[in-house]
This record gives sequence, structure tokens and C-alpha cells, in this order.
Amino acid sequence: GDSVTQMEGPVTLSEEAFLTINCTYTATGYPSLFWYVQYPGEGLQLLLKATKADDKGSNKGFEATYRKETTSFHLEKGSVQVSDSAVYFCALSEAGNTGKLIFGQGTTLQVKP
Amino acid sequence: NAGVTQTPKFRVLKTGQSMTLLCAQDMNHEYMYWYRQDPGMGLRLIHYSVGEGTTAKGEVPDGYNVSRLKKQNFLLGLESAAPSQTSVYFCASSSLPGQGGYGYTFGSGTRLTVV
Repeated sequence: GDSVTQMEGPVTLSEEAFLTINCTYTATGYPSLFWYVQYPGEGLQLLLKATKADDKGSNKGFEATYRKETTSFHLEKGSVQVSDSAVYFCALSEAGNTGKLIFGQGTTLQVKP
Repeated sequence: NAGVTQTPKFRVLKTGQSMTLLCAQDMNHEYMYWYRQDPGMGLRLIHYSVGEGTTAKGEVPDGYNVSRLKKQNFLLGLESAAPSQTSVYFCASSSLPGQGGYGYTFGSGTRLTVV
């Protein structure tokens, strides 16, 4: 079945460092890909998405490119802030019309001043 | 503010007790979902609904039941709570695929402890 694998955390960075969180997937067909962010004590929020190969999703300085050839959707940000500390989830849309998303296990990011 | 509202936010149950978690959305979304979140396991789908009056099983449905009698509400029931159901439960909704769909709106979660 479809699945999403994220790099294990936690990831600890200093403020203004470069961030990469790796995400790879296994899927039939051509899923849409997503990054969600969860701040402490809150629900998940959609951060960005890409719906086809080579699309780049971007939001709030975060970017991710849909790479069909490597089945990857790595999340990047050039300069992280303390306020970016959160749990990040990669997800894909399951084939069919159920609207179901399959999530990775999440990666905790801690940014220190 | 428009969105997804979950009640209650916290609950402690004794083993064997029952309870219902309520999810309400005011965005006229067709699709609704219940997930549970456990450390190191991401989010796992319990049940979902693709429209009023419909429900379907997800990845981990055992021990749970759901109902979608009204489009805006999606109820998750625990018939006889077990310690393994200690988790954070999230409800989400989305519009139809192709209408900007797959962008879930999540509730803020219900933290359930079964002792």
C-alpha cells in the first residue's frame, strides 16, 4: 500500500540555519503531496502542497519540490526562526475519490536562539 | 471563526466506559475524517465519511464507531474504552477533490486518557 517515510527527529538547529526535512513516498498512480505543521497544543495546519511532478509548493519561506524520479518531497527553508519550532508531517493523497491522506510519522524541529 | 470544532478537549475515562467525541465544521465540506495521533506513529485514520449519511473504515477502526447524520457533524464513539485507546484524536474536513480538495482543515484535538 501507499506509504510515507520521513527522516527521524528531533532536528535541532540554531536560528538562521538552513533546514531540510527529508520525505520519500511509495504510491500507485500520481498522488498529490503535502506538508503539514503542528504547533504545540494545536491541530495540524496545511503548510504547502504540490499536485504534480516538478511542481514546487511554497509558503512562509518553506519550499518543497515534487520529485517523481526520486519519489521525494523534501521540505526546505533557508533561514529558520525560533517560531518555526513544531512537528512537521509529510503526507500524500491516496488514489481514488475518498480524499484520504496518508501521513508520515512526523519530524520534530526545535530551533534554538 | 470558520473551522473545525472538537469537543471535549480533554477527557479521562475508566476502562470499560463509553463516550462520544463530537466534530463540527461550518465550511460545508463533504469529507470528514477521524485520526488518532500516537508518539512515533504519525496520524492513523480511524473512520471517514465522504458525505452525509455515509461512513467507512480506515486503518484502525476496531473499538470505534462513527455516525454522520448531519453534513456538518461527525461523531466518534468508543463503546468500551481500553487503555490502548489513550491518544490524541483529531477530526478533519475537506472539500471535494478537484475543488481545491485534499487540503484538510483540522480541529484542535481531543486528548483522551483511559485508566
